[in-house]
Amino acid sequence: GAVVSQHPSRVICKSGTSVKIECRSLDFQATTMFWYRQFPKKSLMLMATSNEGSKATYEQGVEKDKFLINHASLTLSTLTVTSAHPEDSSFYICSARTPSGRGSTDTQYFGPGTRLTVL
Amino acid sequence: GENVEQHPSTLSVQEGDSAVIKCTYSDSASNYFPWYKQELGKGSQLIIDIRSNVGEKKDQRIAVTLNKTAKHFSLHITETQPEDSAVYFCAASIIGGAQKLVFGQGTRLTINP
Repeated sequence: GAVVSQHPSRVICKSGTSVKIECRSLDFQATTMFWYRQFPKKSLMLMATSNEGSKATYEQGVEKDKFLINHASLTLSTLTVTSAHPEDSSFYICSARTPSGRGSTDTQYFGPGTRLTVL
Repeated sequence: GENVEQHPSTLSVQEGDSAVIKCTYSDSASNYFPWYKQELGKGSQLIIDIRSNVGEKKDQRIAVTLNKTAKHFSLHITETQPEDSAVYFCAASIIGGAQKLVFGQGTRLTINP
């Protein structure tokens, strides 16, 4: 099956610093990647949809200047949390969708997640 | 927009028994319903999905049923094993569009040996 990796798996940073999280599709090309945020014992909340070569589409209430998304290639999307604060501490999960077209399953494959702790 | 409700929030069953988790959705245009399993500290793994053109799908011990009229779908796990213990999420989306997944609140399933 399709494999999605995330790096790092865990990061601890000081308040005010920026953190970059990478999401890679290892064995397929992902035209679309999604970024989710999950609080403890809560469901996944979509933050933004990232399409290769174009600007990300952010969900209502998500600050685009705070959560910078770059989808520079068909296998890599990055999420940068800028000027992180303790309230940004969360579990960030990406997913990648197989490209549309004949034989497409429209399935999203999820990465293992990145736990961010801001001190 | 779409809203997905999932019940129960916690479920505890004896090993070998069956477990059923139910979800309802609000948008009749939704036509794709995946189920994900999330183990502690890990991302979500797709375990089964169903499209609105079928009413039931089965994969070994796991099955999903869909009632389009009532707008609800259910996950059935038979002959449960300790490794089935996890948090399960249902989701709904529309194939071919932006394909945003709207997730249910999750069910923490515990299999008691």
